[in-house]
Order: sequence, then structure tokens, then C-alpha cells
Amino acid sequence: EVQLVESGGGLAQPGGSLRLSCAASGFTFDNCAMHWVRQVPGKGLEWVSGISWDSLSVGYADSLKGRFTVSRDNTENSLYLHMNSLRVEDTAFYFCAKDTQRYYDGSGYFDYWGQGILVTVSS
Amino acid sequence: SYVLAQPFSVSVAPGQTATITCVGNDIESKSVHWYQQKPGQAPVVVVYRDSDRPPGIPERLSGSNSGNTATLTISRVEVGDEADYFCQVWDLHSDHVFGGGTKLTVL
Repeated sequence: EVQLVESGGGLAQPGGSLRLSCAASGFTFDNCAMHWVRQVPGKGLEWVSGISWDSLSVGYADSLKGRFTVSRDNTENSLYLHMNSLRVEDTAFYFCAKDTQRYYDGSGYFDYWGQGILVTVSS
Repeated sequence: SYVLAQPFSVSVAPGQTATITCVGNDIESKSVHWYQQKPGQAPVVVVYRDSDRPPGIPERLSGSNSGNTATLTISRVEVGDEADYFCQVWDLHSDHVFGGGTKLTVL
């Protein structure tokens, strides 16, 4: 059974940092691209970042302007999102999602999702 | 940037057919995927690559894609279909893009 479990969320101050983790199991992690998708409570989905199976190709939403960094550790079956210079508007549920393909940029889709973790940015 | 437009809400009576559209420039040249999200839950893919269904998704849910409009059709709507539905594509310049979502209400 595929499982994706996010952790590391919580309260952060504006300008602060957080690191989200996603522990994966039940599939061949190093054969799949992975993504982060966020959702402001009650609003729509927003793609945040993607990373290819080998970490050589990564992508970010333009709105992030270099504040976030995605990484993965295939030996630990884990995906990470380092979030810096946090803003109030980054407050959202953050989902980790598995891609059906090895590269994050293409016609693959998100076939499994974690339950999401809430990040709240507030002073 | 590439934009996908969905109706904010669609309402339908049980047993009827619900049609949810996703409008984007030349969307027929892209693969469209549809996700269902129920309150408090993670999204679930219900249609991928325009019209394919993952295992376990009933045949009542179907997709099509032509011109500037992709469509998710839910036949014989059930109360359990009540959810938010999002379309998604990958665009060379915008990466992964989601539509704003459509709330399906079963009357």
C-alpha cells in the first residue's frame, strides 16, 4: 500500500523558516518524480514544486521567487521542502504527491497524495 | 502563464448528469487530469490523460478534451459524488497548473 506521510508543519513567524518532510512507502521511491502541492483552507490547489527521480531536475512555482527548495533522499525514501522567508500568504495545507513518471515536468499526473500538513505563518 | 478556468459550482439532482468544464487555451493539445477532493481529505485522481480512469473509479465518471475545453462528466450522480473537482495540466512555460476547482452539489 502506497503511503505518503508529511511532517514538520506548524506555526512559523513571518520571515522564518520551516522544513517539511514526506516519508514514502509502498512503492519504488527512486523511480518516481515527487511534488509538493499546497492549498489555502477553503481554496484551490496550487502546485509548489517538483523534483525528478534523480534530483537533477527541479521546478518551482513562479510565485515562490526562490524562497523554497525541494530535495529528496532516495536512501531514506523521503522528500523535503525547505521554506525560507515565510510570508503570511504561505499559510496553507501542504501535500506531498507522487508522480506517475520519473521526471516532474511532463504528462505525468499525481496518483497518490499524502494527507497534508498545515503550515501557519503568523506573528 | 497558462490559466485553467472552471465554474465555481455545479448543482445536480441525484440520478442526473453533471458536467464540469475546464477551459484553457488549446487545451486539447495537453493531457488533462481530474481530481476529486472531499472535505478534509486529500485529492484523488478520477480521470487522467483526458479520459482514462484509474482502477476503482466507476465508469460513471468520464472525461473528454477538445478545442479549448476539457470536460468531466459524471452520469447517474450519487450523493457520494459531492466534492470539489479540479482539472490539471502541465504546460511548458507554467509547469503544473490547476483549475480553480468546481464544487459539485448534489441536491
